[in-house]
Amino acid sequence: DTAVSQTPKYLVTQMGNDKSIKCEQNLGHDTMYWYKQDSKKFLKIMFSYNNKELIINETVPNRFSPKSPDKAHLNLHINSLELGDSAVYFCASSQGFGRNNEKLFFGSGTQLSVL
Amino acid sequence: AQSVAQPEDQVNVAEGNPLTVKCTYSVSGNPYLFWYVQYPNRGLQFLLKYITGDNLVKGSYGFEAEFNKSQTSFHLKKPSALVSDSALYFCAVRDAGKSTFGDGTTLTVKP
Repeated sequence: DTAVSQTPKYLVTQMGNDKSIKCEQNLGHDTMYWYKQDSKKFLKIMFSYNNKELIINETVPNRFSPKSPDKAHLNLHINSLELGDSAVYFCASSQGFGRNNEKLFFGSGTQLSVL
Repeated sequence: AQSVAQPEDQVNVAEGNPLTVKCTYSVSGNPYLFWYVQYPNRGLQFLLKYITGDNLVKGSYGFEAEFNKSQTSFHLKKPSALVSDSALYFCAVRDAGKSTFGDGTTLTVKP
């Protein structure tokens, strides 16, 4: 069983398009995250949701809109895709928000290529 | 604001030799420190964490890390490296529910 699953694994699209990445966790965790890993492998947090409520928004362009229909799902919708959006996007989860002793569980990533 | 630094982009060791991957941190309160490993085309996997207590923390796959408060360091170590340990390693600090990652260190273990 995959604890944190993302779809699709690969996404190739044209500039200007709108696309979504889906994430689901079956761990019963309350908190979910989106991270972006750029071409240099640097990993930066984008968003964090706790029980469907937005907690962290790291000055991400408003073309990126996360949606959490329930605490097991956190989807990422991206409008008007730009070349600079090309990266690997990772979904992650943890048991609860604000608990610093908790590890993150990561999905396997979605490689987004904007042409 | 919290931060971590991994001063080495790349670490190369021979199989069977000990390895060290370095990490230093900056945080205003108590440090909650983690190491994660990323294999090619995979997500990050948790290796170990320091919360409190013993300065030497043991984790998965024979890895351990030494917390040093005076040097604000949390170096990852393994007594005998395996070729299969070759991967990208991230140090992270967690504060107020937010994990901040270092820039990563690529470990290459040669046979």
